[in-house]
Amino acid sequence: NAGVTQTPKFQVLKTGQSMTLQCAQDMNHNSMYWYRQDPGMGLRLIYYSASEGTTDKGEVPNGYNVSRLNKREFSLRLESAAPSQTSVYFCASSERWGSGDEQFFGPGTRLTVL
Amino acid sequence: AQKVTQAQTEISVVEKEDVTLDCVYETRDTTYYLFWYKQPPSGELVFLIRRNSFDEQNEISGRYSWNFQKSTSSFNFTITASQVVDSAVYFCALSEGGRGSTLGRLYFGRGTQLTVWP
Repeated sequence: NAGVTQTPKFQVLKTGQSMTLQCAQDMNHNSMYWYRQDPGMGLRLIYYSASEGTTDKGEVPNGYNVSRLNKREFSLRLESAAPSQTSVYFCASSERWGSGDEQFFGPGTRLTVL
Repeated sequence: AQKVTQAQTEISVVEKEDVTLDCVYETRDTTYYLFWYKQPPSGELVFLIRRNSFDEQNEISGRYSWNFQKSTSSFNFTITASQVVDSAVYFCALSEGGRGSTLGRLYFGRGTQLTVWP
């Protein structure tokens, strides 16, 4: 039981390049989330998927897109990376949406955009 | 406006001291949930506790205890007899359970860096 897994763990991009961060969970959770963590800012929600087949914007969605591929997988895409997107990205999942369930987090992806 | 405020950016203590991490939240919902997460130097986020708005009982788990006070909108976390392994960033978070657009979202405070010296 791996919980929430993310790939890659580290990535360096040049400005304008694109990439997709992958996330998968094996807990049969309905809801999945993408956060970014910047120094002194805590975690901020980028996008979420309350259930398979739905996605919605969080606090800081600009410059990102997401895909809920199936119940297990939720990917985050940067179409044209910018230095302001340098951050640590966390994927999370929870059993249900809006019920105050604990969110389980992946190990994070450290992204640097030059 | 910040929904969760952790006013203490950094705290340093010496081993065996008690330390309290403050968390103040803001919400208009009557149903909400409060969380504490720990982020050790390795970077992962570890869930510590969840509290719902209808349960104001304090909780103790080993050296950890939590004081939830709705009257002051606070959910403070105390570590008794701190140890070096407690060194981490601690996040307080709020999830609102009402029917508004914020339903289900988890709002994090900016975190408190706790350093415990031997």
